[in-house]
Amino acid sequence: TQLLEQSPQFLSIQEGENLTVYCNSSSVFSSLQWYRQEPGEGPVLLVTVVTGGEVKKLKRLTFQFGDARKDSSLHITAAQPGDTGLYLCAGASYKLSFGAGTTVTVRA
Amino acid sequence: NAGVTQTPKFQVLKTGQSMTLQCAQDMNHNSMYWYRQDPGMGLRLIYYSASEGTTDKGEVPNGYNVSRLNKREFSLRLESAAPSQTSVYFCASRSGTGGYEQYFGPGTRLTVT
Repeated sequence: TQLLEQSPQFLSIQEGENLTVYCNSSSVFSSLQWYRQEPGEGPVLLVTVVTGGEVKKLKRLTFQFGDARKDSSLHITAAQPGDTGLYLCAGASYKLSFGAGTTVTVRA
Repeated sequence: NAGVTQTPKFQVLKTGQSMTLQCAQDMNHNSMYWYRQDPGMGLRLIYYSASEGTTDKGEVPNGYNVSRLNKREFSLRLESAAPSQTSVYFCASRSGTGGYEQYFGPGTRLTVT
């Protein structure tokens, strides 16, 4: 059983559409991170959110940490083919626990 | 500045064979980690080393051993490979101060037949 549940597992959209990926848990985390992983490579850190209710923006990506620090979302506006990849959330308590990931495919 | 490097990139073993996966980081990080990644299961921690000279078990340590050779290098050894160990293995490092951000290597794809 995953400590962090990500949904959906797969997402395929057309270029220019918006998408949201969710990361939920019953546990409280001191911080939550989002990583993106491309085929054949290791995960790369996108952002860390620390404060409950925090919203961070990274160009077309918006990350939100839930008020109770148990959940998070990643929203991509006007998705581009370069956004294609596996998106992983990871919660930090005394260690880092990863969700299973959401595979995002953006079709040109 | 290469970050985290791993060798080899690909490996095929027969059941019962042994091998060592190598990992090195040049960021002067204190903590290093070994994960395995399997479809639908995310990244699972095998072993970690919080600092030079220490190692601890993660979620799935059975069948593996590790050595923190020095601050830069952390190796993972499979003593008697089994098909269940077919996976992609990632090494990661963290500074050990501040947040939990980890930096990953490119991975080793291991197949055990």
